[in-house]
Amino acid sequence: AAGVIQSPRHLIKEKRETATLKCYPIPRHDTVYWYQQGPGQDPQFLISFYEKMQSDKGSIPDRFSAQQFSDYHSELNMSSLELGDSALYFCASSFRTSGSYEQYFGPGTRLTVT
Amino acid sequence: DAKTTQPTSMDCAEGRAANLPCNHSTISGNEYVYWYRQIHSQGPQYIIHGLKNNETNEMASLIITEDRKSSTLILPHATLRDTAVYYCIVRVETTSGTYKYIFGTGTRLKVLA
Repeated sequence: AAGVIQSPRHLIKEKRETATLKCYPIPRHDTVYWYQQGPGQDPQFLISFYEKMQSDKGSIPDRFSAQQFSDYHSELNMSSLELGDSALYFCASSFRTSGSYEQYFGPGTRLTVT
Repeated sequence: DAKTTQPTSMDCAEGRAANLPCNHSTISGNEYVYWYRQIHSQGPQYIIHGLKNNETNEMASLIITEDRKSSTLILPHATLRDTAVYYCIVRVETTSGTYKYIFGTGTRLKVLA
């Protein structure tokens, strides 16, 4: 079965640079979620989109923005990167319209800021 | 605003049942309990979820107390590949009518040969 795809899998950036992470949800899934997991920490919810509209916002810094496109893929844009942004970034998707809310997670993007 | 409390770590002998407890004493009536696991740094993997009835699937069983303040995930015959961090999660409805997961700190389960 198709899973959530994230790209790139690994990314190295320097401080103050920008980064763009991409997420391709499971086909037919209409909701995308972004999570950040710092070293040794639990996943923290950042933001979610349903049918291309932002549906909820968590602890996402103002330097970050995200959107969901017409094909339902989503991008997380991160600017003015800081060392503390080094983390695993997970995308998850669900098929809300079906009434099923299980989130299926992608393999993650490991961002290292140097 | 974590809504779950779990033991930090547990060991289990291979082939035995692993019972992972979770406290969610502040859970609201319409909030579901979800269980996921994370192996190494892979994406969390869905295991099971429930509201108030006990649930079973091919991976595990979920026992929820009658007052819904706690639950137990049961892996009936643990294998070495079940070694992972297990998260007990409360699914919370947001003001926009959608849902989000509140992750707890998780239990690091180690299955011993």
